[in-house]
This record gives sequence, C-alpha cells and structure tokens, in this order.
Amino acid sequence: AQSVTQPDIHITVSEGASLELRCNYSYGATPYLFWYVQSPGQGLQLLLKYFSGDTLVQGIKGFEAEFKRSQSSFNLRKPSVHWSDAAEYFCAVRGSSNTGKLIFGQGTTLQVKP
Amino acid sequence: SQTIHQWPATLVQPVGSPLSLECTVEGTSNPNLYWYRQAAGRGLQLLFYSVGIGQISSEVPQNLSASRPQDRQFILSSKKLLLSDSGFYLCAWSPRKALNTEAFFGQGTRLTVV
Repeated sequence: AQSVTQPDIHITVSEGASLELRCNYSYGATPYLFWYVQSPGQGLQLLLKYFSGDTLVQGIKGFEAEFKRSQSSFNLRKPSVHWSDAAEYFCAVRGSSNTGKLIFGQGTTLQVKP
Repeated sequence: SQTIHQWPATLVQPVGSPLSLECTVEGTSNPNLYWYRQAAGRGLQLLFYSVGIGQISSEVPQNLSASRPQDRQFILSSKKLLLSDSGFYLCAWSPRKALNTEAFFGQGTRLTVV
C-alpha cells in the first residue's frame, strides 16, 4: 500500500535561512509526487509535482524538490525563507490507478522567526 | 476555468444532529471527487472518493457517508454526529483520465461538534 512519511512535525527557521522539508514515500512503481501548502483555515495550494523526467522540480514561490528513487524521498527546499512561507506543508503520493486519489503525509508546520 | 465550491465554511452542530456538506465543481465534466478530513495534528485522511455518479468508495469505516447524485456534486453526510467527527473537511477533484495532474481543493468546512 502507498504511504507517505513526513518525519518533522514542526520546523522553525529564521527568515532568510534555507529550508528543507523531508518526505519519504512507499510505492512499488514510479510514483506521482506532490507538495502542497496550506495557510491556516484554507484549502491546499499546489507548490510542485513530479511525474517523470528531470528529478529536480521547480515550483511556485521559489520552492524546488528533488526526487531520489534510491532513497524513496522527495524533499522540498527553498534557499531563503520569507515570513510569508509560514504554513503547513503536505507531501502526497498518487499511484497509477484511475482513481487519482492522493495519499498524504502528516504534514510539517513551518514557523519563521524574524 | 475550473472551480470548486464547498459550503458552509464553518458549522457548529450538537452531538446527535445530522450533517450535510456539499461540494460542487464547475468547468469540467466526469471528475474524480474526494472528501478528506483534517483533524488537529493528524494530517489529511481520505474518507471517500468517487469516479462517477453513484459510485462511492469508502477508505475508512466511520460515522459518515457520501453520495454523488450528479456528475459534479459530492455530498458528505451523517445521520448522527459524534464529537469525534469534529475537524476540517476538504473536498477535492481531479481529471478522470489525466493521471499527470494534481488534485484541486476547495476552501474547506470547519465542523465543530459540541
């Protein structure tokens, strides 16, 4: 069965510092992978996605993620964090069935210190 | 363009009362539809998904049910709410035959059972 693990529940970084949020997935074949961001009380906004090809994926708001098959990982990175990046971040995986359903990790809450 | 509407935005209901949350999608046809629940500190849990009218799959046993009376309408219901049904409910859709795309989320409903 597909699963996603986000090992870090909370992360605090200083504004301007670099950021890496970890995501590990479990899926037998090549997965479709996603990172979403959620501001308090809001829905989810897609940051980036990986389906195939280049393993380094660029997204919105200056985020990028790297797919590493050998490590079953899809970590999210940003070189310099802004205060507005404070939010909850979710990693998700989708298998190749026609249901299209996404399985999400537990989420990582990012706090940004001034 | 496609849009997803979810209502109400907030709801406070007494224990034992019924529930009906509605979600509609515009600008597309034959979407896959999903209900997720987000409980505090527990990430996003897939409750139901549907690949067509009247076709509902349940991911977890619970006090809730879902229905899809029309192609772009998805309803989450309960006959008698429990305290444990409190949470943030998100509706989402994805294109039926396009696996290389993300799911699109509504703005959510905050349900508090008192």
